Amino acid sequence: AQKVTQAQTEISVVEKEDVTLDCVYETRDTTYYLFWYKQPPSGELVFLIRRNSFDEQNEISGRYSWNFQKSTSSFNFTITASQVVDSAVYFCALSEAPSTGFQKLVFGTGTRLLVSP
Amino acid sequence: GAVVSQHPSWVICKSGTSVKIECRSLDFQATTMFWYRQFPKQSLMLMATSNEGSKATYEQGVEKDKFLINHASLTLSTLTVTSAHPEDSSFYICSAGGLAGATQPTYEQYFGPGTRLTVT
Repeated sequence: AQKVTQAQTEISVVEKEDVTLDCVYETRDTTYYLFWYKQPPSGELVFLIRRNSFDEQNEISGRYSWNFQKSTSSFNFTITASQVVDSAVYFCALSEAPSTGFQKLVFGTGTRLLVSP
Repeated sequence: GAVVSQHPSWVICKSGTSVKIECRSLDFQATTMFWYRQFPKQSLMLMATSNEGSKATYEQGVEKDKFLINHASLTLSTLTVTSAHPEDSSFYICSAGGLAGATQPTYEQYFGPGTRLTVT
């Protein structure tokens, strides 16, 4: 069975601090996909990144960076120089590779990030 | 591109009535749509997966007769909450994926903005 664990329920930081959101996953599949989504107070999910299990290269996009470590089954997300607009709930998710049809996403419980001025 | 809309964005209904929520892919055709439910301060829980033209596949514990899903076209799926009760109050989110006609498999799910249902 697939499982995603986000142990940090809530994190509070002051603007300009760096913050890392942890994500640990479990799967028996050798091919799978990992995702991060942002959910601001409005409720709409915002796609941040998708990474397949064969690509362990770290990725940077502006102030966002992701560290994928297959050896520890982790896919952590770091926000550098956080801003108030980063305040949201962040979800890590996992899906099997869509070998036959579209595969469902399994979400973690989310981490609420509060960035204060 | 890849915009998904939901209607209504919020709805308040009386206990015992039925409510229909629409999920539309506006600029693409999706072979598969998913319906999620999210309680306050909790994660998204998949309710069902629907493929165009076929019956929805429900997750364990989700009542098929209570949450009716219809996926009549490649751009529209509907979720009807029948005989709604206060415990059905939640945030319902749909997503669409599997671009019809794509030559390569696509793995993206595009999420709608959600519908907040309050049953009084």
